[in-house]
Amino acid sequence: AQKVTQAQTEISVVEKEDVTLDCVYETRDTTYYLFWYKQPPSGELVFLIRRNSFDEQNEISGRYSWNFQKSTSSFNFTITASQVVDSAVYFCALLEIGGGFKTIFGAGTRLFVKA
Amino acid sequence: AAGVIQSPRHLIKEKRETATLKCYPIPRHDTVYWYQQGPGQDPQFLISFYEKMQSDKGSIPDRFSAQQFSDYHSELNMSSLELGDSALYFCASSSQGEGNTGELFFGEGSRLTVL
Repeated sequence: AQKVTQAQTEISVVEKEDVTLDCVYETRDTTYYLFWYKQPPSGELVFLIRRNSFDEQNEISGRYSWNFQKSTSSFNFTITASQVVDSAVYFCALLEIGGGFKTIFGAGTRLFVKA
Repeated sequence: AAGVIQSPRHLIKEKRETATLKCYPIPRHDTVYWYQQGPGQDPQFLISFYEKMQSDKGSIPDRFSAQQFSDYHSELNMSSLELGDSALYFCASSSQGEGNTGELFFGEGSRLTVL
């Protein structure tokens, strides 16, 4: 069973629009971490945020914000006032502590931000 | 700060040839992971090593092998290459010690093209 689901394959927005990338995860572990990674066209994977399963506090970092809700097993990512440089593939990932410290990625959401 | 170093960055091989990718983790990180990312796909976990011992195995073909050496660098050996092995291969490292955050630190990837 897929453990991390990113239902949005591609999203296209115009610069300055807000955009939310959805992530739903599945786990039986009580202790786990959730991550978001950005993969720009150059190919490298860039770490954006980590959340552990005991910390449901939402976080804001500049134009980025994350909404973690255990009740719905979701960890959504919002970019406010999007910019062309935000164009990339964004991956949500799950690390189950009982799973051998193996991080599982979602299929990714490709975000296009047009000027 | 030192990051994960992967070499070579680009590699072109013919079918049935052998390729070796190298990874130098962040100093004092005790765990190394290998991921394979095919075109348009999410990174797929191949194998991991903790303190030089294989700790977990994912969807790694039998034609592939990996090891971690005494200096903690790791090598991924791929034999009898097939066209489908063309992908971006990421190495990542993390620390499972006290205070471990579960965060993977990725290298920039090695792009393998099999002709």
